[in-house]
This record gives sequence, C-alpha cells and structure tokens, in this order.
Amino acid sequence: GAGVSQTPSNKVTEKGKYVELRCDPISGHTALYWYRQSLGQGPEFLIYFQGTGAADDSGLPNDRFFAVRPEGSVSTLKIQRTERGDSAVYLCATRLAGVAGELFFGEGSRLTVL
Amino acid sequence: GQQVMQIPQYQHVQEGEDFTTYCNSSTTLSNIQWYKQRPGGHPVFLIQLVKSGEVKKQKRLTFQFGEAKKNSSLHITATQTTDVGTYFCAGDSGGYNKLIFGAGTRLAVHP
Repeated sequence: GAGVSQTPSNKVTEKGKYVELRCDPISGHTALYWYRQSLGQGPEFLIYFQGTGAADDSGLPNDRFFAVRPEGSVSTLKIQRTERGDSAVYLCATRLAGVAGELFFGEGSRLTVL
Repeated sequence: GQQVMQIPQYQHVQEGEDFTTYCNSSTTLSNIQWYKQRPGGHPVFLIQLVKSGEVKKQKRLTFQFGEAKKNSSLHITATQTTDVGTYFCAGDSGGYNKLIFGAGTRLAVHP
C-alpha cells in the first residue's frame, strides 16, 4: 500500500475487555515497530519485529500486552484485561530492513478504556 | 536503560523569530533522527544524523549532532506559522534502529 495503515482508528472499550489493533505495513518493509503515545509525550517503544519474529519486546509494559506478525507482513497488537491506564494512541511504524533509517508511521489507533 | 531528554518542553515565538530545541542522550548514539508531529497527526521523519559533529541543513532548518554523539539540536531560522507542531528527537544506541524518543518540544508560532 501507499502508507502504513492502522485499524481501527478509534476504539472505545470497557475496563477488563480484550482489544486487538492491526497494522498493515508498507509493502516490502520487513522491520515493524509498535509505539504507544500518551498525551503530551513522545512515542514510547513497545516492540520491534524483523520479519516474523519479535527481535525486541523489551518495551511491552506487562504480560497483558502481546503482538504477533505471523507472515512477516500484517501485525496485531493484543491487549488483554484492559485498564484505564492503557488509554493512549498506539502507533505502528515500518521501515526497510538492513539499514538504519526513516521510520514511516501510521495514523495510529486511539484506544480509550472507560 | 537509554534515556533521551529534550528541552524546552514548549516554546512560543513570534513569526520571524528563531527557534532551537536541544536533545541529550544518556548513552552514546549510533544515529539520531528528528521527527515533526503536527497537532492530531503522526510523527513525520525530518532527518537522520550519523557522524560525530555532523551538521545538515534543510532550507531554514539546521540539525547538529554532537562530537560525543550524545546530543543534538534543531534550529529553525525565521519561523513561519507552518512550523507549528511538536519536534521529537529519537536516538538509536543499539544499531538496529530501536529508536527511543524524547518527550518533544512543542512549538507555537504567533503571526
């Protein structure tokens, strides 16, 4: 596709519910990142995929958060037993593999936990 | 762990004035990137600096990477209303582009 696509753009859920956020990367971008951005803050690193495997998941806040990328393209961020503190914009970013360089961000998924 | 600090948090200027934001890392960086985020938008890449002491210019924007590769700055000459937004630096110390973002500097420009 022309850019990184994230769905849904907005998600409102109740405390304790399960949520899935999807990221469709730019075609050919094998490196994929999830970030979380709270109001007035910079993006906070969550997890990095190189291909299908999670190369670095050190930013996931706890075991309620999990992400997959089974075929090395689309990725899903899964949040179990959501809490109000999980409310934020979840950003997906991708780039070409092999060389450090520009991250292309999606528009983000705004999650609100009531 | 690695931390990236940015100052100031917020700055408002009159159109035509200059603006500078500073970024400091707790660790030596392999590269540093700068992004701009407009209100309601997502971060958009501006530039990447790799070499110690590197200076790059994009029209009215000047980017510097410190000699020790632990600090950087972005300077905008003669700001315009189109410069409004939040400017983030993002540092990579691991070499595979795990970018750690600063908290950003929000720029307001008054006409």
